[in-house]
Amino acid sequence: DTGVSQDPRHKITKRGQNVTFRCDPISEHNRLYWYRQTLGQGPEFLTYFQNEAQLEKSRLLSDRFSAERPKGSFSTLEIQRTEQGDSAMYLCASSLGGHQETQYFGPGTRLLVL
Amino acid sequence: DQQVKQNSPSLSVQEGRISILNCDYTNSMFDYFLWYKKYPAEGPTFLISISSIKDKNEDGRFTVFLNKSAKHLSLHIVPSQPGDSAVYFCAARGPTGNQFYFGTGTSLTVIP
Repeated sequence: DTGVSQDPRHKITKRGQNVTFRCDPISEHNRLYWYRQTLGQGPEFLTYFQNEAQLEKSRLLSDRFSAERPKGSFSTLEIQRTEQGDSAMYLCASSLGGHQETQYFGPGTRLLVL
Repeated sequence: DQQVKQNSPSLSVQEGRISILNCDYTNSMFDYFLWYKKYPAEGPTFLISISSIKDKNEDGRFTVFLNKSAKHLSLHIVPSQPGDSAVYFCAARGPTGNQFYFGTGTSLTVIP
């Protein structure tokens, strides 16, 4: 399977705990995006990487959230001191960029904070 | 603030008929628009896109229309098939080229 993969698919944690999610993009894709999706809403942009450089972050991304893409391949999204409001689906997407860019999404990680 | 809006949460259409999904946006700087389809427990899948310099793009049963003056786009599916039943999201690329804004989705049900 050469699509975008995410791990874990589901995560249940207690409030205040830290969680880390992993995304493996399509291998030749240099762009990587993280989104958050809550019930009844569309994906909401969180952050964007061009290779290993994090070039854009949403104003909605609190300082409890941090993302890395250390070698320009896989990426991790960490949430520290989780809150119940962090419960959502976290989606990763990758692309080659370009004027007519197509993002390929992974299946997402569903987070539930109790 | 929701810059991309899909005002119809759901739509039901008979098999073989045309499905029309609508999307409105507020930012005239958006230069590229996309439609994604999403099945339960899966990530969104790209369907079709259109650049702001065009007003129509067609791919098989799917056609996207863009009306820049009205800041409106629509997705036409004809003929609709039961396998088209899914949630459809429209998305727009922002002026930095790095942010994509999604609507809230329209759940399409195609009735056999």
